[in-house]
Amino acid sequence: DIVMTQSPDSLAVSLGERATINCKSSQSLLYTSNNKNYLAWYQQKSGHPPKLLIYWASTRESGVPDRFRGSGSGTDFTLTINSLQAEDVAVYYCQQYYSTPDTFGQGTRVEIK
Amino acid sequence: EVQLVESGGGLVQPGRSLRLSCAASGFTFDAYGMHWVRQAPGKGLEWVSGITSDSDYLDYADSVKGRFTISRDNAKNSLYLQMNSLRPEDTAFYYCAKGKTGTDAFDIWGQGTLVTVSS
Repeated sequence: DIVMTQSPDSLAVSLGERATINCKSSQSLLYTSNNKNYLAWYQQKSGHPPKLLIYWASTRESGVPDRFRGSGSGTDFTLTINSLQAEDVAVYYCQQYYSTPDTFGQGTRVEIK
Repeated sequence: EVQLVESGGGLVQPGRSLRLSCAASGFTFDAYGMHWVRQAPGKGLEWVSGITSDSDYLDYADSVKGRFTISRDNAKNSLYLQMNSLRPEDTAFYYCAKGKTGTDAFDIWGQGTLVTVSS
């Protein structure tokens, strides 16, 4: 199974500042035939199901604010939240769908400093 | 409105069975792969099982293989998870999730149903 490791486990960021979450996979998620990285990011607010933010490592899901940006390729990926808002407090997960079983990172909790 | 609604969770003794259901609405159910993802209270996400749109291909996490069975009824816009030989470590919120076209990302999630396995 592909192991997904996120860092940090938690971070506190001031309102309006940038939050950066890293995700590393144990093997490359880049499928060379289509040049796509099989990685998604989710946001889960307390008491709610996860919400898809980003897929193909950098494509924002419809309706997701453009302050959320996904980047990276191969084994190293980043979710950046620019100008953090109060409503962004949540746990964020990366997920690989390159090979079965799909696997998730352990999650990163984002709080307001 | 696109919606997934799970049902069937509850308290069950170890070794017993439970069947979860997921009712879909607001989209063409038979066009999409569907999945079950679980989350133990206070823990992270674990993919459990997936099924293609036509039930041609089923897949399971090793942790549930041989005990859980995924199925769907496209005429009823419903997804199911038959869970047998339940263990305490199966205690979790179980979410059904819709596969996004062309990917295995999950773009629609239900609210979840809690399964508690305890004597």
